[in-house]
Amino acid sequence: DVNLVQSGAEAKKPGATVKISCKVSVNRFTDYYIHWVRQAPGKGLEWVGLIDPDDGEPVYSHHFQGRVTITADRFTATAYMELSSLTSEDTALYYCAVVGSPAITRYVQHWGHGSLIIVSS
Amino acid sequence: DIQMTQTPSTLAVSVGDRVTITCRASQSIVTWLAWYQQRPGEVPNLLIYKASTLRSGVPSRFSGSGSGSEFTLTISSLQPDDIATYYCQQYNSFPLTFGQGTKLEIK
Repeated sequence: DVNLVQSGAEAKKPGATVKISCKVSVNRFTDYYIHWVRQAPGKGLEWVGLIDPDDGEPVYSHHFQGRVTITADRFTATAYMELSSLTSEDTALYYCAVVGSPAITRYVQHWGHGSLIIVSS
Repeated sequence: DIQMTQTPSTLAVSVGDRVTITCRASQSIVTWLAWYQQRPGEVPNLLIYKASTLRSGVPSRFSGSGSGSEFTLTISSLQPDDIATYYCQQYNSFPLTFGQGTKLEIK
């Protein structure tokens, strides 16, 4: 079975940087791509990026213009998402999500409960 | 970026209704499309992938069809548990993109 446990809510001021985590419990951590998806209050889903935990290679949405960094620590089976130069538009619930099998890379089957990031002065 | 447009944005439905949601891509995505269900207060749940393949455990009243740039999600007979917002997602190319969602409401 797959279980994702995300870090807690964060309150940040505009311009700050936030880093959230996602502890993944799965057979082989390095076999499953990990995605980050965010959802602003009352809004839809927006893809942030993904990482291949096997080689640590990330793919980012260009909409974040170099502000996002996704990493994975294979020793602790934990993925991280760091977002810098925060604005109020970054206020959202940030989900980590994992694909359903090693053969899949681009759609996800297992979701964390979300980490709320609030950006306010 | 590939734009995904869902219609309608909101749909008033009754239990037992046949419900159809449409998702259009701004260019061909072959059949690289997934559908997710998000009930109020819950995380999204994968229903369908590769446009028409039902994820294991998803009720058979859900079905997906389409290819190229036009896709549909159909619920053959709506159940109370199906009241949710539904999202399509293309995974033909990066960045992965979602439709804006279709919210089902009880009539």
